[in-house]
Amino acid sequence: EAGVAQSPRYKIIEKRQSVAFWCNPISGHATLYWYQQILGQGPKLLIQFQNNGVVDDSQLPKDRFSAERLKGVDSTLKIQPAKLEDSAVYLCASSLERGREQYFGPGTRLTVT
Amino acid sequence: GQNIDQPTEMTATEGAIVQINCTYQTSGFNGLFWYQQHAGEAPTFLSYNVLDGLEEKGRFSSFLSRSKGYSYLLLKELQMKDSASYLCAVRDTNTDKLIFGTGTRLQVFP
Repeated sequence: EAGVAQSPRYKIIEKRQSVAFWCNPISGHATLYWYQQILGQGPKLLIQFQNNGVVDDSQLPKDRFSAERLKGVDSTLKIQPAKLEDSAVYLCASSLERGREQYFGPGTRLTVT
Repeated sequence: GQNIDQPTEMTATEGAIVQINCTYQTSGFNGLFWYQQHAGEAPTFLSYNVLDGLEEKGRFSSFLSRSKGYSYLLLKELQMKDSASYLCAVRDTNTDKLIFGTGTRLQVFP
C-alpha cells in the first residue's frame, strides 16, 4: 500500500513570496490533515478535511494560508505572502476516518529568508 | 484549556529499558496516541490507548491512566535505531483533533 505522498520535499523562498504544497493521501482515506511543525515542537494542526469538506480550520492563519481538497482526494496548501515565522515542516496526514490513527507523509521543509 | 507535558530529552544505553512519561490536561479526552519521529522524517504511529491499562506491542508498551491524566511509553531491549523523538498526542473529544506534545528526544548510546 502506497503511503502519503507530498511534494516538494524542500522549498526555499523569500518573505512575501507565495508557495504551494501538494499532498496525495493513502487511497480510501476520507480524512486529510495539514500540520505545521516548527523545529523542536510537536505538529500543530492547521486544517482538517473530511472528504472535500473542512472539519476544522480554527488554527489556520486565514489571512495568508489557504487549503483545498476539491475532489476529496489530493489537497494543496498555499501560503501567500510568506513570513519568516512560516519556516517549518509542513506535514500532511490521512486517516481512514476521523479519530483513527493518522499516517504522515514525509513533509515539506519550508525555509523563508 | 489543553496542555501536554513530556520531558524534553532522555538518554539510555543499548539493551536497557526506558520509560517516557506524558501528562495531559484537556477539556475532553478520547484517546492517546504515541508516535515515533526520527530526525528529518515524518512521525510514525506506535500505539493507541483509550481505556486504562497497558497495551503491549513487541518491544514497545503504552500505559494509560485516565483518572490521573497520565500515560507512559515503555521501550525494552533498546536498540540504536530507537534514537528518535517520541510524541504523545491526545484526541480531544470536543474537537476530535489530535493535540501533540513537544516530544521527547531519546538518545540511545552503545
